[in-house]
Amino acid sequence: QSVLTQPPSASGTPGQSVAISCSGSRSNIGTFYVYWYQQVPGTAPRLLIYRNYVRPSGVPVRFSGSKSGTSASLAISGLRSEDEAHYYCATWDDSLSGWVFGGGTKLTVL
Amino acid sequence: QITLKESGPTLVKPTQTLTLTCTFSGFSLGTTGVGVGWIRQPPGKALEWLALIYWDDDKRYSPSLKNRLTTAKDTSKNQVVLTMTNLDPVDTGTYYCAHYEQNGDAARSNWYFDLWGRGTLVTVSS
Repeated sequence: QSVLTQPPSASGTPGQSVAISCSGSRSNIGTFYVYWYQQVPGTAPRLLIYRNYVRPSGVPVRFSGSKSGTSASLAISGLRSEDEAHYYCATWDDSLSGWVFGGGTKLTVL
Repeated sequence: QITLKESGPTLVKPTQTLTLTCTFSGFSLGTTGVGVGWIRQPPGKALEWLALIYWDDDKRYSPSLKNRLTTAKDTSKNQVVLTMTNLDPVDTGTYYCAHYEQNGDAARSNWYFDLWGRGTLVTVSS
């Protein structure tokens, strides 16, 4: 059971928009920045969003992050087949004095 | 350019100790404001944070695994080692090391994992 709660799956057709939620608590998302990672099967996680909404160099503008209270969301617009992957949210947790990850969301592009 | 690579045994017997090495380039743990973390992923499951080590030798461990984990750095070799004792089949998975980025924020809880190694698969089985 992950400390951060994500839906196990999401889907959309090419060109559509999709949002993936991440729910936590005051000791984690409610206090600290949220990060999003993309993981294509068989590869290492790739940082997509840091400090709630900032995109690292090279990440398409189609990816955006937001945070409100103890929840966060990753939005992907203009879905493409290469977006099919697992997505994980993560943050620091003050109660655990360490990092926590969400259970991951498998995005399928139909 | 920052790169990291994990190395170690691919098969370990239950109750044995696992030692993994993360060899990196493009940064130095002798430089202020640098860290390296360890994260693992059981097959088909989510990511799980294990440990962090900072340039000043400060260390953090996952509370659930704290009694079994040790991490250490060798600055001259650009390496970080993770040791996990008393292995069990549930410890099977891919183990990643990652660069821990400060990005101008002194608060260590605001740092983050920006670049990861490719991971090494460890199987615990008799």
